[in-house]
Amino acid sequence: EAQVTQNPRYLITVTGKKLTVTCSQNMNHEYMSWYRQDPGLGLRQIYYSMNVEVTDKGDVPEGYKVSRKEKRNFPLILESPSPNQTSLYFCASSLSAGVEGAFFGQGTRLTVV
Amino acid sequence: KNQVEQSPQSLIILEGKNCTLQCNYTVSPFSNLRWYKQDTGRGPVSLTIMTFSENTKSNGRYTATLDADTKQSSLHITASQLSDSASYICVVSAYSGAGSYQLTFGKGTKLSVIP
Repeated sequence: EAQVTQNPRYLITVTGKKLTVTCSQNMNHEYMSWYRQDPGLGLRQIYYSMNVEVTDKGDVPEGYKVSRKEKRNFPLILESPSPNQTSLYFCASSLSAGVEGAFFGQGTRLTVV
Repeated sequence: KNQVEQSPQSLIILEGKNCTLQCNYTVSPFSNLRWYKQDTGRGPVSLTIMTFSENTKSNGRYTATLDADTKQSSLHITASQLSDSASYICVVSAYSGAGSYQLTFGKGTKLSVIP
């Protein structure tokens, strides 16, 4: 089954404790991206990757890092989480950027206290 | 600045009725427009995707229209069901050169279908 898998689904952490949210897709897609979704603001893109070792900033990249060492994986790293990063996060993938309908993961609800 | 505006923000309809959601955009150069359905707490699911040359596309009871001249799109839901209760998000893609695309998201319309 074609899918994008994020882990964990729920996470509560303390300010400053580094964390990683994993994202994996099994569709051999080139394009992957991370979004955060906050009430009243909709989905906002954090980072995206056109292919292995090719990443670029989205609209709200501050406080986040990503890496794309393999085609299937695109982890999101918060080196020093802060409470304003409390949000619902989604990973998405598509065959190519902007052309195919993106597949989204189930979401990761992150709370930073 | 690229923008996508959706209306209404929220909508309540009776089960079995039809409804139409609107999306107006100022995105250039236009590549495609997608409608997504997002159930509460879940990831968005693609309903339709339309390019410049397409003005109608259907997916079951969902029909999307696109008027590239007026930069407007609508999503029509026929014979609504309780399971249609969700947020519907309009996303417009613009080609930004060198194989890159910029996606602009609307804030969504929250639809509630009541018995």
